[in-house]
Amino acid sequence: SQQGEEDPQALSIQEGENATMNCSYKTSINNLQWYRQNSGRGLVHLILIRSNEREKHSGRLRVTLDTSKKSSSLLITASRAADTASYFCATDDSSYKLIFGSGTRLLVRP
Amino acid sequence: SQTIHQWPATLVQPVGSPLSLECTVEGTSNPNLYWYRQAAGRGLQLLFYSVGIGQISSEVPQNLSASRPQDRQFILSSKKLLLSDSGFYLCAWESRARPYEQYFGPGTRLTVT
Repeated sequence: SQQGEEDPQALSIQEGENATMNCSYKTSINNLQWYRQNSGRGLVHLILIRSNEREKHSGRLRVTLDTSKKSSSLLITASRAADTASYFCATDDSSYKLIFGSGTRLLVRP
Repeated sequence: SQTIHQWPATLVQPVGSPLSLECTVEGTSNPNLYWYRQAAGRGLQLLFYSVGIGQISSEVPQNLSASRPQDRQFILSSKKLLLSDSGFYLCAWESRARPYEQYFGPGTRLTVT
């Protein structure tokens, strides 16, 4: 069963604009992660946020986590054409398993 | 640094033929290893995971199997492929020191005809 669900399914923005993607999940989590996947490639780990953290930054990425709403957001600032990819959130529940959402397809137009 | 390899990169196989996909990890010891399948435009479905040599846990009952003959080698197999086995297969590793952060290989695109 899917735990994380990303929203929107697809997003098209102009280079230089900010991109915001959201992830909602259903049950309690230990951590939430965001991954990027370029077309036809493997996933790249972007950032992990723990359940006791509210916000985390990594370069142009900002992730927030609201455990009361069971949601997270990924903000990419000053987007570039190279940011075009699918973005997935993944949650874990203290088993060995990550559960991935269906992803948001981001298109950054030059 | 750690690297993860998968091969082949692409594969076209007829229905009923056998399958063997290989995944190897370099630069780490005792990793947890995972096989996922991704349907077009979808998220990842966990197929198998392994916490050690010979230890395999299956998540989805189907005609696929996995084996871990060596610490850093993970193999996905099938005796007879089905059309529904087509997809993008991804292997991932995870360090026991940093659980849940998974690092993925480049994937194998399998088309069953």
